[in-house]
Amino acid sequence: DVKVTQSSRYLVKRTGEKVFLECVQDMDHENMFWYRQDPGLGLRLIYFSYDVKMKEKGDIPEGYSVSREKKERFSLILESASTNQTSMYLCASSSPTGDEQYFGPGTRLTVT
Amino acid sequence: EDQVTQSPEALRLQEGESSSLNCSYTVSGLRGLFWYRQDPGKGPEFLFTLYSAGEEKEKERLKATLTKKESFLHITAPKPEDSATYLCAVQLSYNTDKLIFGTGTRLQVFP
Repeated sequence: DVKVTQSSRYLVKRTGEKVFLECVQDMDHENMFWYRQDPGLGLRLIYFSYDVKMKEKGDIPEGYSVSREKKERFSLILESASTNQTSMYLCASSSPTGDEQYFGPGTRLTVT
Repeated sequence: EDQVTQSPEALRLQEGESSSLNCSYTVSGLRGLFWYRQDPGKGPEFLFTLYSAGEEKEKERLKATLTKKESFLHITAPKPEDSATYLCAVQLSYNTDKLIFGTGTRLQVFP
């Protein structure tokens, strides 16, 4: 069965803290993605990676960075968290053909 | 600009009352259209992929169809457990790495 896991379901951080969100997939997928989801705005792509150590900016990369040291793991980093980064963060993976992306359960991040 | 629009934003149905959700798209080139179901506080769950106009896919009470400008998700005789937000997304023919998502239709089915 397809599985994408995220390190935390809920996270509360203070403004200015460095935040790490981890995502692991067990499907041997090349492509991995980080989205944020906000009411009325839908899912917006932050970064994606199509191979180990490769990354591409999505639509809203400002304030975020990513790391992919191993094929199964894709990390999202908030260098200095701000309140406008309070959101639901979703990780996904897909095969190289780009067909159906499989999503993790999400991390609800609150920055106070 | 590539765009995906879903309507209605919210839909309330009585159990057994069939209806349709709409996903219209304006893109330069379509490779595929995806439907997902999302329960509150969870990640989207993949339902269907459609690749060409005229194509249809079915799963239990759900049937997805595709035309050159839009897709419909038909729900036949819905049950309360069908309550969720339904998302559609398009994959572009010239950039297959990314999906463009609509904002979803929140469906509530009452007994």
